[in-house]
Amino acid sequence: DAMVIQNPRYQVTQFGKPVTLSCSQTLNHNVMYWYQQKSSQAPKLLFHYYDKDFNNEADTPDNFQSRRPNTSFCFLDIRSPGLGDAAMYLCATSRDGRVDTEAFFGQGTRLTVV
Amino acid sequence: AQKITQTQPGMFVQEKEAVTLDCTYDTSDQSYGLFWYKQPSSGEMIFLIYQGSYDEQNATEGRYSLNFQKARKSANLVISASQLGDSAMYFCAMKNNFNKFYFGSGTKLNVKP
Repeated sequence: DAMVIQNPRYQVTQFGKPVTLSCSQTLNHNVMYWYQQKSSQAPKLLFHYYDKDFNNEADTPDNFQSRRPNTSFCFLDIRSPGLGDAAMYLCATSRDGRVDTEAFFGQGTRLTVV
Repeated sequence: AQKITQTQPGMFVQEKEAVTLDCTYDTSDQSYGLFWYKQPSSGEMIFLIYQGSYDEQNATEGRYSLNFQKARKSANLVISASQLGDSAMYFCAMKNNFNKFYFGSGTKLNVKP
């Protein structure tokens, strides 16, 4: 089945040690999103790509970076994770920029910082 | 800037009864999409229903319907005949013409047997 796959499902990293989360999609969608979701809170948009065009949210810390080497893959890099970065990270895709196209989500990566 | 407000952190409903989850939004855009997602305890986000800003009729998908009141900027989700499997977090979201999805803070629904 076509889907959005995030690896790993659970990631434990040390304080200050760079970590990369990955997302792949078989939907051939143009748009890919990264969200941070802390416990019982709304998913917070970090950034998104439309094809290769990168769009950063104004309040996304510089500590968070992203790469999209091709249509299928997108990576979230956290350069120096702090305790406050522990959260669920959700990757999503959308077919295009039309307002009527929904987002398809992966199962998320739960990041623990020790 | 877009803002989505869900004022009900938690709701209880008796099995087989209907429940309404509230959502209001704020935008200056003319064209936008409104979505509801369900997030079970397992974590995945499941798309439920969509309403376009220009749609004159309320959207329906099975037991889900969306009570869209554009002038009030509200897009409430109605779940009819609640089932135990409906217990989950429910998020209201808006998509704008800049490809961005913004989410509300969610409502945790508990269905009681």
